[in-house]
Amino acid sequence: GAVVSQHPSWVICKSGTSVKIECRSLDFQATTMFWYRQFPKQSLMLMATSNEGSKATYEQGVEKDKFLINHASLTLSTLTVTSAHPEDSSFYICSARDGTSGSYNEQFFGPGTRLTVL
Amino acid sequence: AQSVTQLDSQVPVFEEAPVELRCNYSSSVSVYLFWYVQYPNQGLQLLLKYLSGSTLVKGINGFEAEFNKSQTSFHLRKPSVHISDTAEYFCAVSELGQGFSFIFGKGTRLLVKP
Repeated sequence: GAVVSQHPSWVICKSGTSVKIECRSLDFQATTMFWYRQFPKQSLMLMATSNEGSKATYEQGVEKDKFLINHASLTLSTLTVTSAHPEDSSFYICSARDGTSGSYNEQFFGPGTRLTVL
Repeated sequence: AQSVTQLDSQVPVFEEAPVELRCNYSSSVSVYLFWYVQYPNQGLQLLLKYLSGSTLVKGINGFEAEFNKSQTSFHLRKPSVHISDTAEYFCAVSELGQGFSFIFGKGTRLLVKP
């Protein structure tokens, strides 16, 4: 089956530093990748949608200058949290979709990255 | 869009008992419907999905769900639960023509007791 990986699985950083999270589709071409954020005991909130080779589309209320998303290849998208602060601590989950077939394709979720900002 | 409502934040049930986790949605367009399970500190695993066709959908681990268009519901059921089913369950909706992004419900924690 389709596999999506995330790296790192967890990261602890100091306030003010930047952190990069990678999302990779291992056995399919991810034409679209989605980034979600999940606070403890809450649901997933979509942050942004990125299509390969295009600028990401951010959801209302998500700071695009703070959460930089790059989707430069069909197998890799990165989320960089710039100048991280404690309130950015969260569980970040990516998902990927293969849209090349033209029909509906489900999203495949990565295992998530736990970010803790001290 | 549109919203997804999971009315029960937590459902306690004894092992081997049946369970139903409720999901209602609101949307002005056609939708695809999903149920995902999440174990602690892990990502989401797809249990089942409804895209079209038969309204009764069978998934993994003995779960099934029924799409009811008139009631805009997609309730998840299992006839006999196990301790290992203890997890967080999310209902999700993807609206046709809206870029395939998901709207998630707030989740229901299924707690299976011995």
